[in-house]
Amino acid sequence: GAVVSQHPSWVICKSGTSVKIECRSLDFQATTMFWYRQFPKQSLMLMATSNEGSKATYEQGVEKDKFLINHASLTLSTLTVTSAHPEDSSFYICSARKVGSNQPQHFGDGTRLSIL
Amino acid sequence: AQTVTQSQPEMSVQEAETVTLSCTYDTSESDYYLFWYKQPPSRQMILVIRQEAYKQQNATENRFSVNFQKAAKSFSLKISDSQLGDAAMYFCAYRSADGANSKLTFGKGITLSVRP
Repeated sequence: GAVVSQHPSWVICKSGTSVKIECRSLDFQATTMFWYRQFPKQSLMLMATSNEGSKATYEQGVEKDKFLINHASLTLSTLTVTSAHPEDSSFYICSARKVGSNQPQHFGDGTRLSIL
Repeated sequence: AQTVTQSQPEMSVQEAETVTLSCTYDTSESDYYLFWYKQPPSRQMILVIRQEAYKQQNATENRFSVNFQKAAKSFSLKISDSQLGDAAMYFCAYRSADGANSKLTFGKGITLSVRP
């Protein structure tokens, strides 16, 4: 079955540093990837939609300069949290979908980000 | 814009019994997909079941089945013979069939506990 790999699974870093999270589709080409943020016991909040080779589309209220998304290839998208602060601590999940609107969306295992 | 409503934040079921999780949605579209996702404590998002709106037949996957009422915009999930491993947070989700970038809209989720 389709597999999405997300790395790292857990990262702790100091305030002010930048953190990069990778999302890879291992056995399919993902023309569209999605990045979500989730707080404990809450639903997934879509942050942005990225398409290979073009700029990401950010949801309202999401700072594009804070959360940099790059979708350089059909199998890799990255989310960089720049100058991270404690309020950026959260669970981040990526998702990828194959070509075609009727394709299911496959999720990575998520990244727990803790900013000290 | 589409909305997905899961009005019950928590439910509990006795092991081996049946439980139904409710979900309603609002849309003006005629063609779309509906999903139920399971998120166990590991926080991995697992697709439980999927329903295409144009199909009248309710989807089933082993112990999981849905009651899809298109006119009422209702999409409930029935879990039969509940098992301890079914304990998780469950999210109902909607996605338009229009466009490769169509996004998943999630409900707030429901926490299901299973009593041994």
